[in-house]
Amino acid sequence: QKEVEQDPGPLSVPEGAIVSLNCTYSNSAFQYFMWYRQYSRKGPELLMYTYSSGNKEDGRFTAQVDKSSKYISLFIRDSQPSDSATYLCAMKAGAGSYQLTFGKGTKLSVIP
Amino acid sequence: GAGVSQSPSNKVTEKGKDVELRCDPISGHTALYWYRQSLGQGLEFLIYFQGNSAPDKSGLPSDRFSAERTGGSVSTLTIQRTQQEDSAVYLCASSDVLDGSKETQYFGPGTRLLVL
Repeated sequence: QKEVEQDPGPLSVPEGAIVSLNCTYSNSAFQYFMWYRQYSRKGPELLMYTYSSGNKEDGRFTAQVDKSSKYISLFIRDSQPSDSATYLCAMKAGAGSYQLTFGKGTKLSVIP
Repeated sequence: GAGVSQSPSNKVTEKGKDVELRCDPISGHTALYWYRQSLGQGLEFLIYFQGNSAPDKSGLPSDRFSAERTGGSVSTLTIQRTQQEDSAVYLCASSDVLDGSKETQYFGPGTRLLVL
């Protein structure tokens, strides 16, 4: 079992839809959770950074962490064609840890 | 402001040849990472440099891979005797590690390596 599991998709939704992206993980030491967005032929860029369980909202994006279920989610409201990209979840252990463990990424297409 | 830059953008080489990939981190960032992203795979950690400390090489897949970071800035990833399975996108990231819990890694655009 891989440490981080993420459905690779592809996921195709109409413009304006609510998108839900998810990752599960097996390592209970993970405490910091991130979502990166990667456009085609570009490097990943950080979208959301959360610590422990709970929700964090930033504009149209909401990150949700459920440590008891070892499950994290990214919700995108009012999705736009510009949101079309690959979304990677990443996580790491304590504050002294630097190694990120990534999911394989979910490819999202938002159709106008 | 300048972000992380990598060169070349693309590299095609023949099996058995050596290649060098370059990373220019964001000025002032003390931490530098190399990752490999193969088709359909997540980012795979290769090596980590932090200041003057000994690098963490635990992710390097074989002794054909090596990396240097000169003067605490530019880094070079070298792959000797390339194999077809080395074909991937090699990504570099840097960060300003003031507080490990809030560290943000900034990625370069990557070098796409194809070994024929």
